[in-house]
Amino acid sequence: KQEVTQIPAALSVPEGENLVLNCSFTDSAIYNLQWFRQDPGKGLTSLLLIQSSQREQTSGRLNASLDKSSGRSTLYIAASQPGDSATYLCAVRAGNTPLVFGKGTRLSVIA
Amino acid sequence: DAGITQSPRYKITETGRQVTLMCHQTWSHSYMFWYRQDLGHGLRLIYYSAAADITDKGEVPDGYVVSRSKTENFPLTLESATRSQTSVYFCATRGRYEQYFGPGTRLTVT
Repeated sequence: KQEVTQIPAALSVPEGENLVLNCSFTDSAIYNLQWFRQDPGKGLTSLLLIQSSQREQTSGRLNASLDKSSGRSTLYIAASQPGDSATYLCAVRAGNTPLVFGKGTRLSVIA
Repeated sequence: DAGITQSPRYKITETGRQVTLMCHQTWSHSYMFWYRQDLGHGLRLIYYSAAADITDKGEVPDGYVVSRSKTENFPLTLESATRSQTSVYFCATRGRYEQYFGPGTRLTVT
Protein backbone atom coordinates (compact mmCIF):
# COMPACT_ATOMS: atom_id res chain seq x y z
CA LYS A 1 0.00 0.00 0.00
CA GLN A 2 1.39 3.38 -1.00
CA GLU A 3 2.29 5.70 1.87
CA VAL A 4 3.32 9.32 1.51
CA THR A 5 5.29 11.14 4.20
CA GLN A 6 6.05 14.82 4.44
CA ILE A 7 8.75 16.12 6.72
CA PRO A 8 8.78 18.45 8.54
CA ALA A 9 5.17 18.76 9.63
CA ALA A 10 5.70 22.46 10.28
CA LEU A 11 8.35 24.97 9.31
CA SER A 12 8.92 28.61 10.18
CA VAL A 13 11.40 30.72 8.22
CA PRO A 14 12.27 34.41 7.87
CA GLU A 15 11.20 36.23 4.74
CA GLY A 16 13.63 35.99 1.84
CA GLU A 17 14.97 32.56 2.72
CA ASN A 18 15.11 29.77 0.15
CA LEU A 19 13.52 26.60 1.46
CA VAL A 20 12.89 22.97 0.61
CA LEU A 21 9.87 20.86 1.48
CA ASN A 22 10.28 17.12 1.37
CA CYS A 23 7.95 14.33 0.26
CA SER A 24 8.71 10.62 0.26
CA PHE A 25 6.65 7.70 -0.98
CA THR A 26 7.02 3.98 -0.44
CA ASP A 27 6.10 2.56 -3.87
CA SER A 28 8.14 3.95 -6.76
CA ALA A 29 5.66 2.70 -9.40
CA ILE A 30 3.89 6.03 -9.71
CA TYR A 31 2.19 7.69 -12.69
CA ASN A 32 2.66 11.23 -11.48
CA LEU A 33 3.14 13.42 -8.42
CA GLN A 34 1.28 16.60 -7.61
CA TRP A 35 2.04 19.41 -5.16
CA PHE A 36 -0.84 21.41 -3.71
CA ARG A 37 -1.16 24.49 -1.56
CA GLN A 38 -3.92 24.98 0.99
CA ASP A 39 -4.62 28.27 2.72
CA PRO A 40 -6.49 28.16 6.05
CA GLY A 41 -10.20 27.54 5.52
CA LYS A 42 -9.76 27.11 1.77
CA GLY A 43 -9.60 24.34 -0.77
CA LEU A 44 -6.49 22.85 -2.34
CA THR A 45 -4.81 24.62 -5.23
CA SER A 46 -2.62 22.65 -7.61
CA LEU A 47 0.90 24.07 -7.82
CA LEU A 48 2.93 21.65 -9.89
CA LEU A 49 2.46 18.28 -11.54
CA ILE A 50 5.40 16.03 -12.38
CA GLN A 51 4.91 13.04 -14.64
CA SER A 52 6.84 9.89 -13.78
CA SER A 53 9.10 10.40 -16.80
CA GLN A 54 10.05 13.93 -15.73
CA ARG A 55 12.71 15.05 -13.27
CA GLU A 56 11.40 18.50 -12.42
CA GLN A 57 8.84 21.19 -13.07
CA THR A 58 9.08 24.92 -12.48
CA SER A 59 6.50 27.64 -11.97
CA GLY A 60 7.75 31.07 -11.00
CA ARG A 61 9.62 30.80 -7.68
CA LEU A 62 8.60 27.17 -7.26
CA ASN A 63 10.56 24.17 -8.46
CA ALA A 64 9.54 20.59 -7.85
CA SER A 65 11.86 17.67 -8.44
CA LEU A 66 11.17 13.96 -8.62
CA ASP A 67 13.50 11.03 -7.98
CA LYS A 68 11.23 8.09 -8.59
CA SER A 69 13.79 5.41 -7.89
CA SER A 70 14.46 6.71 -4.39
CA GLY A 71 10.81 7.58 -3.75
CA ARG A 72 11.41 11.28 -3.14
CA SER A 73 10.20 14.67 -4.30
CA THR A 74 11.18 18.12 -3.15
CA LEU A 75 9.43 21.45 -3.51
CA TYR A 76 11.89 24.33 -3.61
CA ILE A 77 10.58 27.82 -2.86
CA ALA A 78 12.94 30.65 -3.72
CA ALA A 79 13.01 33.98 -1.91
CA SER A 80 10.10 33.13 0.38
CA GLN A 81 7.44 35.74 1.14
CA PRO A 82 4.80 36.02 3.88
CA GLY A 83 2.20 35.26 1.20
CA ASP A 84 3.76 31.80 0.81
CA SER A 85 2.50 30.89 4.28
CA ALA A 86 0.17 27.93 3.82
CA THR A 87 0.07 24.16 4.09
CA TYR A 88 1.77 22.33 1.24
CA LEU A 89 0.60 18.82 0.36
CA CYS A 90 2.22 16.22 -1.82
CA ALA A 91 0.20 13.47 -3.52
CA VAL A 92 1.13 10.54 -5.76
CA ARG A 93 -0.91 8.63 -8.29
CA ALA A 94 -0.44 5.13 -9.68
CA GLY A 95 -2.36 4.52 -12.89
CA ASN A 96 -6.10 5.14 -12.60
CA THR A 97 -6.14 4.88 -8.83
CA PRO A 98 -6.95 7.81 -6.52
CA LEU A 99 -4.22 10.14 -5.33
CA VAL A 100 -2.50 9.21 -2.08
CA PHE A 101 -1.80 12.28 0.02
CA GLY A 102 0.78 13.14 2.61
CA LYS A 103 -0.36 15.04 5.69
CA GLY A 104 1.31 18.22 4.57
CA THR A 105 3.91 20.71 5.75
CA ARG A 106 2.59 23.87 7.41
CA LEU A 107 4.83 26.76 6.35
CA SER A 108 5.04 30.11 8.09
CA VAL A 109 7.13 32.85 6.50
CA ILE A 110 7.87 35.58 9.01
CA ALA A 111 8.24 39.18 7.80
CA ASP B 1 -16.61 30.27 -15.00
CA ALA B 2 -15.57 26.69 -15.57
CA GLY B 3 -14.55 24.64 -12.58
CA ILE B 4 -15.92 22.86 -9.57
CA THR B 5 -18.62 24.20 -7.34
CA GLN B 6 -19.86 22.80 -4.05
CA SER B 7 -23.05 23.57 -2.22
CA PRO B 8 -23.87 24.44 0.41
CA ARG B 9 -20.60 25.98 1.59
CA TYR B 10 -21.68 25.76 5.24
CA LYS B 11 -24.24 23.47 6.81
CA ILE B 12 -25.39 22.82 10.36
CA THR B 13 -27.59 19.81 10.91
CA GLU B 14 -28.79 17.63 13.74
CA THR B 15 -27.82 14.07 14.53
CA GLY B 16 -29.94 11.58 12.62
CA ARG B 17 -30.89 13.90 9.77
CA GLN B 18 -30.16 13.13 6.14
CA VAL B 19 -27.86 15.62 4.44
CA THR B 20 -26.81 15.88 0.80
CA LEU B 21 -23.73 17.75 -0.29
CA MET B 22 -23.64 18.75 -3.93
CA CYS B 23 -20.70 18.84 -6.32
CA HIS B 24 -20.86 20.14 -9.89
CA GLN B 25 -18.12 20.40 -12.52
CA THR B 26 -18.09 22.09 -15.90
CA TRP B 27 -15.09 20.28 -17.41
CA SER B 28 -16.70 16.90 -18.15
CA HIS B 29 -13.86 15.12 -16.36
CA SER B 30 -14.47 11.41 -15.97
CA TYR B 31 -13.14 11.06 -12.45
CA MET B 32 -14.70 12.70 -9.42
CA PHE B 33 -13.82 12.29 -5.74
CA TRP B 34 -15.14 13.07 -2.28
CA TYR B 35 -12.74 13.67 0.62
CA ARG B 36 -13.12 14.71 4.20
CA GLN B 37 -10.46 16.68 6.03
CA ASP B 38 -10.05 16.56 9.78
CA LEU B 39 -7.29 17.79 12.08
CA GLY B 40 -4.86 14.98 12.74
CA HIS B 41 -6.14 12.81 9.90
CA GLY B 42 -5.40 14.88 6.84
CA LEU B 43 -7.40 14.23 3.70
CA ARG B 44 -9.29 10.95 3.59
CA LEU B 45 -11.03 9.58 0.52
CA ILE B 46 -14.70 8.71 1.02
CA TYR B 47 -15.88 7.65 -2.45
CA TYR B 48 -14.87 8.18 -6.02
CA SER B 49 -16.34 7.72 -9.46
CA ALA B 50 -14.61 6.85 -12.73
CA ALA B 51 -17.63 7.74 -14.90
CA ALA B 52 -21.38 8.14 -14.76
CA ASP B 53 -22.95 5.17 -12.94
CA ILE B 54 -19.54 3.88 -11.77
CA THR B 55 -18.61 4.49 -8.15
CA ASP B 56 -16.16 2.91 -5.73
CA LYS B 57 -15.39 3.08 -2.03
CA GLY B 58 -12.46 4.92 -0.62
CA GLU B 59 -10.85 4.76 2.79
CA VAL B 60 -13.82 5.90 4.93
CA PRO B 61 -17.12 5.11 3.12
CA ASP B 62 -19.28 4.03 6.08
CA GLY B 63 -22.30 6.25 6.66
CA TYR B 64 -22.09 7.85 3.19
CA VAL B 65 -23.88 7.20 -0.09
CA VAL B 66 -22.99 8.56 -3.53
CA SER B 67 -24.56 8.51 -6.94
CA ARG B 68 -23.50 9.71 -10.35
CA SER B 69 -26.29 9.76 -12.88
CA LYS B 70 -24.68 12.59 -14.87
CA THR B 71 -21.01 13.20 -15.56
CA GLU B 72 -21.11 16.72 -14.14
CA ASN B 73 -22.71 15.96 -10.77
CA PHE B 74 -21.51 13.84 -7.87
CA PRO B 75 -23.69 14.27 -4.77
CA LEU B 76 -22.65 12.88 -1.37
CA THR B 77 -25.40 11.89 1.05
CA LEU B 78 -25.09 11.30 4.77
CA GLU B 79 -28.03 9.02 5.39
CA SER B 80 -28.23 9.58 9.16
CA ALA B 81 -25.72 12.20 10.25
CA THR B 82 -23.54 11.58 13.30
CA ARG B 83 -21.32 13.98 15.23
CA SER B 84 -18.26 12.12 13.96
CA GLN B 85 -19.19 13.30 10.47
CA THR B 86 -18.55 16.91 11.43
CA SER B 87 -15.81 17.83 9.00
CA VAL B 88 -14.82 19.79 5.94
CA TYR B 89 -15.79 17.96 2.76
CA PHE B 90 -13.98 18.48 -0.52
CA CYS B 91 -15.04 17.39 -3.95
CA ALA B 92 -12.41 16.97 -6.67
CA THR B 93 -12.19 16.10 -10.34
CA ARG B 94 -9.35 14.69 -12.34
CA GLY B 95 -8.56 15.39 -15.93
CA ARG B 96 -6.08 13.36 -17.92
CA TYR B 97 -3.24 14.20 -15.54
CA GLU B 98 -4.14 16.77 -12.91
CA GLN B 99 -6.57 16.82 -10.01
CA TYR B 100 -8.58 19.90 -9.06
CA PHE B 101 -10.46 20.62 -5.85
CA GLY B 102 -13.64 22.47 -5.04
CA PRO B 103 -13.85 25.12 -2.30
CA GLY B 104 -15.23 22.73 0.30
CA THR B 105 -18.32 22.37 2.48
CA ARG B 106 -18.00 22.86 6.22
CA LEU B 107 -20.51 20.53 7.88
CA THR B 108 -21.36 20.64 11.57
CA VAL B 109 -23.52 17.91 13.10
CA THR B 110 -24.99 18.88 16.48
